[in-house]
Amino acid sequence: GAVVSQHPSWVICKSGTSVKIECRSLDFQATTMFWYRQFPKQSLMLMATSNEGSKATYEQGVEKDKFLINHASLTLSTLTVTSAHPEDSSFYICSAHPGVVNQPQHFGDGTRLSIL
Amino acid sequence: GDSVTQMEGPVTLSEEAFLTINCTYTATGYPSLFWYVQYPGEGLQLLLKATKADDKGSNKGFEATYRKETTSFHLEKGSVQVSDSAVYFCALSNLQGGSNYKLTFGKGTLLTVNP
Repeated sequence: GAVVSQHPSWVICKSGTSVKIECRSLDFQATTMFWYRQFPKQSLMLMATSNEGSKATYEQGVEKDKFLINHASLTLSTLTVTSAHPEDSSFYICSAHPGVVNQPQHFGDGTRLSIL
Repeated sequence: GDSVTQMEGPVTLSEEAFLTINCTYTATGYPSLFWYVQYPGEGLQLLLKATKADDKGSNKGFEATYRKETTSFHLEKGSVQVSDSAVYFCALSNLQGGSNYKLTFGKGTLLTVNP
């Protein structure tokens, strides 16, 4: 099946640091990529949708200056958490879609971010 | 807007028991329906999908049938295993209104299977 690689899987850093998370579609071209945040024992919360070569579309309540999203190619999107604080600690998951009707999103394995 | 409602967990079963996780949806038009599974500490994996009414998705012994008349997509498995312990998410994708392949998720159902 389709493979989406997300890196790193776990990161611990000090408050005030910026952290970059990469999401790569390994065997298909992802015209659209999504970034989610998941709190413990909860469903996924969509943060933003990005189309290759365009600015990301952020969901209401998500700070675009805090969570920078870049989708520079059809196989790579990055999420940068700028000046991270403990409240940004969470599980972040990306997904990729090939832009074909009725096809599913394919998810990465997630990144556990812990801000001290 | 679109919405997905799935049965609240947690669900605890013994090995080889029958599993049903109910899922109903509200959407305009003809959405595609999905079941995803999330194992602890991991992302989501597609379990099965159905794209039109009366389609049956199946994978690894799990099945779900797209019922437009009842707007449902219930997940079933005849005999669960310990390795099926995970969180299961029902989701829909609706292209109407320019949704750009966004998924609308249910809240997830935690399944624990005991030996």
